[in-house]
Amino acid sequence: KNQVEQSPQSLIILEGKNCTLQCNYTVSPFSNLRWYKQDTGRGPVSLTIMTFSENTKSNGRYTATLDADTKQSSLHITASQLSDSASYICVVTRPESSGSARQLTFGSGTQLTVLP
Amino acid sequence: EAGVAQSPRYKIIEKRQSVAFWCNPISGHATLYWYQQILGQGPKLLIQFQNNGVVDDSQLPKDRFSAERLKGVDSTLKIQPAKLEDSAVYLCASSLSPRGGYQTQYFGPGTRLLVL
Repeated sequence: KNQVEQSPQSLIILEGKNCTLQCNYTVSPFSNLRWYKQDTGRGPVSLTIMTFSENTKSNGRYTATLDADTKQSSLHITASQLSDSASYICVVTRPESSGSARQLTFGSGTQLTVLP
Repeated sequence: EAGVAQSPRYKIIEKRQSVAFWCNPISGHATLYWYQQILGQGPKLLIQFQNNGVVDDSQLPKDRFSAERLKGVDSTLKIQPAKLEDSAVYLCASSLSPRGGYQTQYFGPGTRLLVL
């Protein structure tokens, strides 16, 4: 079954600290993996996208890694800010050739709270 | 560039009542998606349109949910009659091309529905 599991479910850290969020998937075949940030009351916004051949991608203080062999990804946030408080959602995409229009599998997200 | 617009932002109804949500995608985006996001979960795709045709509605509860995109631009999602378990945020997203996994999806702010 194609699944995306994220951990931890929730995380509380102090401002300025680093943190790492995890995403494990069983989706196959694999095309790409995205991390989205969803602020409370807003729709998700794409942070990074990685294909099979990429193992790291940065976007400012956000760095995503991908190990396609173990089917694991992580999102590392450096020097956290209060504005980083949000839900972070991992989304895995199957290739169009997989025969299904429903190519995207969403994780349940990690709720991050950054405290002053 | 204007983002994806949704209305209303909030709606409270009683069970067995009807409700409709409206979405205006980013200009020129061929593909439009409706997602249901229950609290604490990732978004679940309800229906995907390419222009005004349905690409995937396999997870749409068709006995009570309906959606249309008559002119290939705006879209409406209707629930009739609503049940308590329909309480969720309904997200609309659009992407430039039908290749949903390869093109970034831009999400609207969502409509938060509470069914009492």
